[in-house]
Amino acid sequence: SQQGEEDPQALSIQEGENATMNCSYKTSINNLQWYRQNSGRGLVHLILIRSNEREKHSGRLRVTLDTSKKSSSLLITASRAADTASYFCATGGDYKLSFGAGTTVTVRA
Amino acid sequence: EPEVTQTPSHQVTQMGQEVILRCVPISNHLYFYWYRQILGQKVEFLVSFYNNEISEKSEIFDDQFSVERPDGSNFTLKIRSTKLEDSAMYFCASTGLASYEQYFGPGTRLTVT
Repeated sequence: SQQGEEDPQALSIQEGENATMNCSYKTSINNLQWYRQNSGRGLVHLILIRSNEREKHSGRLRVTLDTSKKSSSLLITASRAADTASYFCATGGDYKLSFGAGTTVTVRA
Repeated sequence: EPEVTQTPSHQVTQMGQEVILRCVPISNHLYFYWYRQILGQKVEFLVSFYNNEISEKSEIFDDQFSVERPDGSNFTLKIRSTKLEDSAMYFCASTGLASYEQYFGPGTRLTVT
């Protein structure tokens, strides 16, 4: 299975702080994606990083990928209350995504 | 901005009944997917659909499940005889050609009693 597994399971931070979460996976990948899920809602695509990329930025998001360690990290800078959600890494090919169990991030005002 | 829509938002059914969950993918997308998420658990892949046929399916997607694209816009998931353990959120997703980013609908919460 290519499933990613996130760490930590839960994270509680103060507004304005940075949040970092990690993802490990098992097999070779072409790309790795990060998704956000607000409580009881659908998943929203955040960012995709290809296997030949080491780092990617999108707004307040920074993703790194280390294919030698089969791991990725997602950094959210200057967190806001609206960032409270679950974050999932996902790996897969053309026809499916395999998700990890996610990191639940709570941003306290 | 185009979005994936799903109906109904919540479906309650009795064990053994058939249910059909409906999805309208983004109009120019070509790959369609169903996932489910049991409460408190991870999102699990069920099936993918391309060019009017199933591309890949998981072990969960047994003979009780079927998918269909009855017209140019709808994509449906049918569960023929629901079980208690089918209670979950079911998400539809779609992807355009040459893209790995999947766009998810808001989900249908299925409750089997």
